[in-house]
Amino acid sequence: NAGVTQTPKFQVLKTGQSMTLQCAQDMNHEYMSWYRQDPGMGLRLIHYSVGAGITDQGEVPNGYNVSRSTTEDFPLRLLSAAPSQTSVYFCASSYSVQVPQETQYFGPGTRLLVL
Amino acid sequence: AQSVAQPEDQVNVAEGNPLTVKCTYSVSGNPYLFWYVQYPNRGLQFLLKYITGDNLVKGSYGFEAEFNKSQTSFHLKKPSALVSDSALYFCAVRESMYSSASKIIFGSGTRLSIRP
Repeated sequence: NAGVTQTPKFQVLKTGQSMTLQCAQDMNHEYMSWYRQDPGMGLRLIHYSVGAGITDQGEVPNGYNVSRSTTEDFPLRLLSAAPSQTSVYFCASSYSVQVPQETQYFGPGTRLLVL
Repeated sequence: AQSVAQPEDQVNVAEGNPLTVKCTYSVSGNPYLFWYVQYPNRGLQFLLKYITGDNLVKGSYGFEAEFNKSQTSFHLKKPSALVSDSALYFCAVRESMYSSASKIIFGSGTRLSIRP
């Protein structure tokens, strides 16, 4: 298994540009989520999904969209990038939302710089 | 609402000494509690978790954590620190009741530095 993969590893954007961060997992996990990591603020939940076709907002959803058309993929879209969205983004997954004690598996992260 | 607090931004320990990284939580129901570790330029890796039962949970790399319901704490411990334990540690909590709002919430992280 490849586990959780994220692309790209690093991206530079100009203010106002849009882009999609890709996340995929090959473990047939139901639960997928996106976090951003900022110094001194730890990991903050952006959006999450409990299965294909079902998404919900986390702590900091503004400026981001998600969709979950398949079990494997959970892309994160930045509609109009802002410097405040400069961060490291992590995608994570776990087997089943009905088993909340399941551990999460994290991707390697995408480092985003918005100029 | 769920919340997790890691009151120390940084913990410094000499190699060979015991270490403790603190975590307190708040949930409306019974908690599931986790510790993750992050090495530089890497994603988070699972260390251990508390689900139910014995309050002392043992995990990877010699780490353990003690669940204290009355103090709503889940402190990470290791009897003898290694330089290689130096990393960023995150505590996380999830409510045990399934619902679409059953999110996993992470603390702000504690940087553990072990000096030789």
